Amino acid sequence: ELKVEQNPLFLSMQEGKNYTIYCNYSTTSDRLYWYRQDPGKSLESLFVLLSNGAVKQEGRLMASLDTKARLSTLHITAAVHDLSATYFCAVDIGGNYKLTFGKGTLLTVNP
Amino acid sequence: NAGVTQTPKFQVLKTGQSMTLQCAQDMNHNSMYWYRQDPGMGLRLIYYSASEGTTDKGEVPNGYNVSRLNKREFSLRLESAAPSQTSVYFCASSYQENQPQHFGDGTRLSIL
Repeated sequence: ELKVEQNPLFLSMQEGKNYTIYCNYSTTSDRLYWYRQDPGKSLESLFVLLSNGAVKQEGRLMASLDTKARLSTLHITAAVHDLSATYFCAVDIGGNYKLTFGKGTLLTVNP
Repeated sequence: NAGVTQTPKFQVLKTGQSMTLQCAQDMNHNSMYWYRQDPGMGLRLIYYSASEGTTDKGEVPNGYNVSRLNKREFSLRLESAAPSQTSVYFCASSYQENQPQHFGDGTRLSIL
């Protein structure tokens, strides 16, 4: 059974600081997705990582995937208040359409 | 640009009642999914439809049924609602397996 663990689950940071959210998974996979959810809202796709060593960047967010370590990171650079949200990673084992989500990281960026 | 549309947005049921959650997408996606989101649990897959005419169980299918009515529509039915099914339900769709899923706005369901 695929397990996906995110750390930390809660993150409070100051504006302008850097931080990293970690996503570990238990079964070999080279497909990992990051989503953002604002309170009471739907999920928005941020990044799709489909191979070992994949790196994607959008604004102050950068995601990477190390399939050998079964680890993805979401790095936040110079955080701003607008990044406050819950971030989910999700993994699928190719061929079966079943996406397994982590429990999410609630990020709060304080002025 | 509707994307994925879910109805209703809110619903309150009594234990034992039945209801169907509706989902439609206008992006010509092949695959559709139903998830539930509970506090501290992330999202858990209930059922999915890889393509029109097929449906399969996800992680938590008990107490639910689904119908892929056509390529656009995928409904979720609760035959006899239980308080444990109180949750936020999300429908999603994707063009194919390794593409990001697009989510609807969710249905907030309370069962008393």
